[in-house]
Amino acid sequence: LAKTTQPISMDSYEGQEVNITCSHNNIATNDYITWYQQFPSQGPRFIIQGYKTKVTNEVASLFIPADRKSSTLSLPRVSLSDTAVYYCLVGPGTYKYIFGTGTRLKVLA
Amino acid sequence: SAVISQKPSRDICQRGTSLTIQCQVDSQVTMMFWYRQQPGQSLTLIATANQGSEATYESGFVIDKFPISRPNLTFSTLTVSNMSPEDSSIYLCSVASGQGYGNTIYFGEGSWLTVV
Repeated sequence: LAKTTQPISMDSYEGQEVNITCSHNNIATNDYITWYQQFPSQGPRFIIQGYKTKVTNEVASLFIPADRKSSTLSLPRVSLSDTAVYYCLVGPGTYKYIFGTGTRLKVLA
Repeated sequence: SAVISQKPSRDICQRGTSLTIQCQVDSQVTMMFWYRQQPGQSLTLIATANQGSEATYESGFVIDKFPISRPNLTFSTLTVSNMSPEDSSIYLCSVASGQGYGNTIYFGEGSWLTVV
């Protein structure tokens, strides 16, 4: 199982770009990297998924280096509503999806 | 992505009682999972719900405490038995969907249980 390591918390200001990095040193060949956003008392919400290089959608970008041992979620121009916990998940591996601690992002006015 | 509905969304339960949480998916899925999230903590995998056979439990979780049913490819239940205040958590149903780059897991909104 690929274990993930993220910063416990981050602060940012409105309008700034936020980059959250996740380390996953023992990622397997068949693993994908997926990021989720979770607000209090809600289920995690899918943000973006990638395998290698760069992926971009309407809300975020995901950067994955060639060795795939880490990944960076980039949130452009954050707002107060982006305050949440962000999880990096690596899988399917052996089809057990194990979550790490997540990163608590606080966006300040 | 799959749409997942959980019931109840929240409940207050008496110590020593049991509660069954239902999870309904809008499409057939192969893999369903149950997670627990204690206040302020990350998600912990309880078990994989297997259709037509016994669930596969993670270390620290047992069938007597968390019996799981999976009668078909769109429905599962998790029962929290003989509850104590330590069971106060959000319980989340999730499914693996094969769309996109690979299997992606999606979550329901969760069932918030408070045991008093």
